[in-house]
Formats: sequence, C-alpha cells, structure tokens
Amino acid sequence: DTGVSQDPRHKITKRGQNVTFRCDPISEHNRLYWYRQTLGQGPEFLTYFQNEAQLEKSRLLSDRFSAERPKGSFSTLEIQRTEQGDSAMYLCASSLALSKGLTKNIQYFGAGTRLSVL
Amino acid sequence: DQQVKQNSPSLSVQEGRISILNCDYTNSMFDYFLWYKKYPAEGPTFLISISSIKDKNEDGRFTVFLNKSAKHLSLHIVPSQPGDSAVYFCAASPDSNYQLIWGAGTKLIIKP
Repeated sequence: DTGVSQDPRHKITKRGQNVTFRCDPISEHNRLYWYRQTLGQGPEFLTYFQNEAQLEKSRLLSDRFSAERPKGSFSTLEIQRTEQGDSAMYLCASSLALSKGLTKNIQYFGAGTRLSVL
Repeated sequence: DQQVKQNSPSLSVQEGRISILNCDYTNSMFDYFLWYKKYPAEGPTFLISISSIKDKNEDGRFTVFLNKSAKHLSLHIVPSQPGDSAVYFCAASPDSNYQLIWGAGTKLIIKP
C-alpha cells in the first residue's frame, strides 16, 4: 500500500460544469476526510466518513457539494455547477479509529487535486 | 474566528541551528495537537503530536512543547537540515471531536 491516492491531480473546468474527484485511502483505514486548501491557508475541514457513514459535514459544504463512500473504501467528492470560488486544492486524508479514547487522529494525506474554475 | 494561529508566515534559519516554530490557539477544549510538514505539490505529512496531558514530546530531532496556560505550542527542530525546508502546519483536535483545526502554516527556509 503506497498511501492515500487522489485522482486527478489537476482539474481545469469552466464555471457551471460539474466535477468529481476520487480518493483511495490507506486500505486498513476506516476514516476518510475531505479538506479544502486555498493559497496561504491551512486545510479547511469539509466532511468525514467512518466506513460508509458520513458523520460530519462542515458549513463550508454547500448543497452543490456531495461526498460518498459507498462501500467504505474509496470516496468521491462531486461539485455541481462549479463557481470560481471553488478553485482550491482538495485534500483527502485517512486514519484508523480503533475505539473511543484510543484514536490519536493521525491523518495521512494524499497529494490533493488542484481545481481551477475558469 | 481563527482558533489556531501561526503568526509567522516564514522563518529563515541557518543549517545546523535550532528552528523554533510557534502556534497559538484559543479553544481550551482542544486536547490533541499535531504538527504536519508540507512540501510543494505534496499533501501534508504527519511529524509529531502531543496530547493535553503532556507538556513535551520528543521524536529524534523534533520536539513539541505545550504550554496549556498560555495556549501555546512550539516545534523545535535541532539541528536544522536543508531537507527541513517546507511549510509547517500546526493542527488541533477539539475534545470528543475528530475534526482537525489548522493554522495557516509557517514556511521554514534552511540556509546552507
């Protein structure tokens, strides 16, 4: 296992188009996170899954954004009707949650998908 | 409202000397703190962490110090090496919540 992988690495799209990104986590990890990062800022949390259940969504995740993790393995993040403000790096991370109190929340990140909306 | 702040956008240190990166937080419910390192075109890489029950954690050249009363933590790298040049992010985890809150990062430049 080579770590978290994200596809594509770069995506250029026109405003109004839909885009979908994929994340393959580390195989034994049960938690998967999506973050967005803009220039000069740290990652901002978007949402996370434990197995196939989406447990938390940030207020940043507008109704144009949807994330899925159908079989508890890979995840997709879709942005509908893209806007120029969606241009950012989208990062995926995974971690292994053992049980409450034992999770150290060390998240391992992919290289990200850079989205440019023209 | 920025709950995790890294007030130095960049830091330049001579190779072999100590690098000290600082981070302040405002939320007293944070109980777990992490440092990540990021190279260009790569995702953040976990470096070292500390829980709120400790005030120091060491791993090789990297030591993290936590001052809960001041809501301040720092990362010490000694000795600094050219490969340490990267952006360093401080992140915190709120109590009973697994979301990480991140600072804006500090770009560390190690001069030969």
